[in-house]
Amino acid sequence: GESVGLHLPTLSVQEGDNSIINCAYSNSASDYFIWYKQESGKGPQFIIDIRSNMDKRQGQRVTVLLNKTVKHLSLQIAATQPGDSAVYFCAVLEGGGSYIPTFGRGTSLIVHP
Amino acid sequence: DTGVSQNPRHKITKRGQNVTFRCDPISEHNRLYWYRQTLGQGPEFLTYFQNEAQLEKSRLLSDRFSAERPKGSFSTLEIQRTEQGDSAMYLCASSLGGNREKLFFGSGTQLSVL
Repeated sequence: GESVGLHLPTLSVQEGDNSIINCAYSNSASDYFIWYKQESGKGPQFIIDIRSNMDKRQGQRVTVLLNKTVKHLSLQIAATQPGDSAVYFCAVLEGGGSYIPTFGRGTSLIVHP
Repeated sequence: DTGVSQNPRHKITKRGQNVTFRCDPISEHNRLYWYRQTLGQGPEFLTYFQNEAQLEKSRLLSDRFSAERPKGSFSTLEIQRTEQGDSAMYLCASSLGGNREKLFFGSGTQLSVL
């Protein structure tokens, strides 16, 4: 089965800094990766995704990097704002036609004004 | 607002009672998922539907848990004979159903079993 882990449970940054949240996965057959943001009392909100045939994808202020060699992905948030404070999850889909995302534990991002 | 609606938002019940939660997915989405989330953890998959067919239910936590999606639109998750360990946030998500489609989540139902 899939095992998804995050390197740091809590990340504190100053407003305006760049943030990097990491995620490791164990199944080399995983082929689709999604980052979600979850604010208190709400469901996870989609941020950005990447397929295994890519190693980088950019959105608005966010970049996801995928390193399949070491089975690692990261979410980079540029110019972090207080509104970015939330728990961030990576979710991974195995290959072979699985449609069930497996979530990691999450990293709590705290942005100090 | 993602468009996935869950009701109720909060449910408090006594141990041994049955509870039922409802999820209305985004209208054009044909896949619907149920997850459970406890404090400090990521969402844990329970079951999912493609239209009205329940394609994976082996990860439902016990035979006290059941889910339906009778007409391929809304879904219900029922927990019978609730236990204190069932206290959690129950999340519903939907997706378009193509290959590698992202899930859109509702705000969840917070269950407290006293």
